[in-house]
Amino acid sequence: DTGVSQNPRHKITKRGQNVTFRCDPISEHNRLYWYRQTLGQGPEFLTYFQNEAQLEKSRLLSDRFSAERPKGSFSTLEIQRTEQGDSAMYLCASSREQGKRSDTQYFGPGTRLTVL
Amino acid sequence: DQQVKQNSPSLSVQEGRISILNCDYTNSMFDYFLWYKKYPAEGPTFLISISSIKDKNEDGRFTVFLNKSAKHLSLHIVPSQPGDSAVYFCAAKEAGNNRKLIWGLGTSLAVNP
Repeated sequence: DTGVSQNPRHKITKRGQNVTFRCDPISEHNRLYWYRQTLGQGPEFLTYFQNEAQLEKSRLLSDRFSAERPKGSFSTLEIQRTEQGDSAMYLCASSREQGKRSDTQYFGPGTRLTVL
Repeated sequence: DQQVKQNSPSLSVQEGRISILNCDYTNSMFDYFLWYKKYPAEGPTFLISISSIKDKNEDGRFTVFLNKSAKHLSLHIVPSQPGDSAVYFCAAKEAGNNRKLIWGLGTSLAVNP
């Protein structure tokens, strides 16, 4: 399977615990994105990497959230001191830069986080 | 403020007929539009896209129409199949900004056998 993969698919945690999610993009894609989706809403942008550089962070990404893409390949999203409001589907997407042309983002299956 | 609007939360269509899903936007800086399909507990799957320099793009059973003056686009699925039953999201990107997509709330399509 050469698509975007995310692990774990489901995570249940207690409030106050830290969680980390992993995303492996499509191999030739240099751009990587994180989104969050709650029930009845469209995905909301969280952050964006071009290679290893984190170029944009949404205001939704509080200080408890941190994302890395250390070698420009896989990425991790960590949430510290989780709160019940963090419960959501966390989606990762990747795309390949195509010069001036717009590139299409391809999504992974998501990680469903439930904070008890 | 919702920049991408999908005003129909749900749509029901008979198998073999045409499904038309609509999307309106308010930001005139949007230059690229995409449609995604999403099944429960899965990530969105890319369907079709259109650049603002075009008014139509077709891929098999899927056609997207863009009316820039009306800031409106639509996705046509012909013929509709039961496997098309899913939530369809319209998304848009600003010119010069490949960093994020702005999404509508989705339309749930049910194709009845």
